[in-house]
Amino acid sequence: AAGVIQSPRHLIKEKRETATLKCYPIPRHDTVYWYQQGPGQDPQFLISFYEKMQSDKGSIPDRFSAQQFSDYHSELNMSSLELGDSALYFCASSRRDSGDNEQFFGPGTRLTVL
Amino acid sequence: AQSVSQHNHHVILSEAASLELGCNYSYGGTVNLFWYVQYPGQHLQLLLKYFSGDPLVKGIKGFEAEFIKSKFSFNLRKPSVQWSDTAEYFCAVNFMEYGNKLVFGAGTILRVKS
Repeated sequence: AAGVIQSPRHLIKEKRETATLKCYPIPRHDTVYWYQQGPGQDPQFLISFYEKMQSDKGSIPDRFSAQQFSDYHSELNMSSLELGDSALYFCASSRRDSGDNEQFFGPGTRLTVL
Repeated sequence: AQSVSQHNHHVILSEAASLELGCNYSYGGTVNLFWYVQYPGQHLQLLLKYFSGDPLVKGIKGFEAEFIKSKFSFNLRKPSVQWSDTAEYFCAVNFMEYGNKLVFGAGTILRVKS
């Protein structure tokens, strides 16, 4: 079965650089979520999109922005990177009409900021 | 604020021992409940979920969990652990009145000694 695809899997950036993370949801899933998992921490919700509109916003810094495109893939844009942004960034997708909001997680993008 | 508490951060068991990991959440409204497992270096995988019906749910790999609404709890159990169960386990809650995002507990690192 198709799973959530994230790219790149690993990314190394310098401080103050920008990064773009991509997420391709499972086919026919209409909702995408972004989570950030710092070293030794639990995943923290950043932002979500339903049918290309932002549906919820969590602890996402103002330096980050995201959007969902017409083909339902999503991109997380991160600017003015800081050392503390080093983390594993997960994307998850779901179908709103599934009834239980089960979210399927991608493999994550490991971002290292030097 | 919505929160999820996992009682133990590290658990060490011998093979064939029984496992119970505690999870409590802070809120009395309608919730969907999940347990995810994260093997070293891998992404989150769903073990089991509860959204309605029988409060005792069975998941993959012999895991089960019981939803006790009066205690706001959703504890994970397995009668006999195996070395391959070594992983980190996250309880996650969707507080439905606050959108579709998941709020994760801090995680429990399980190490099973062979």
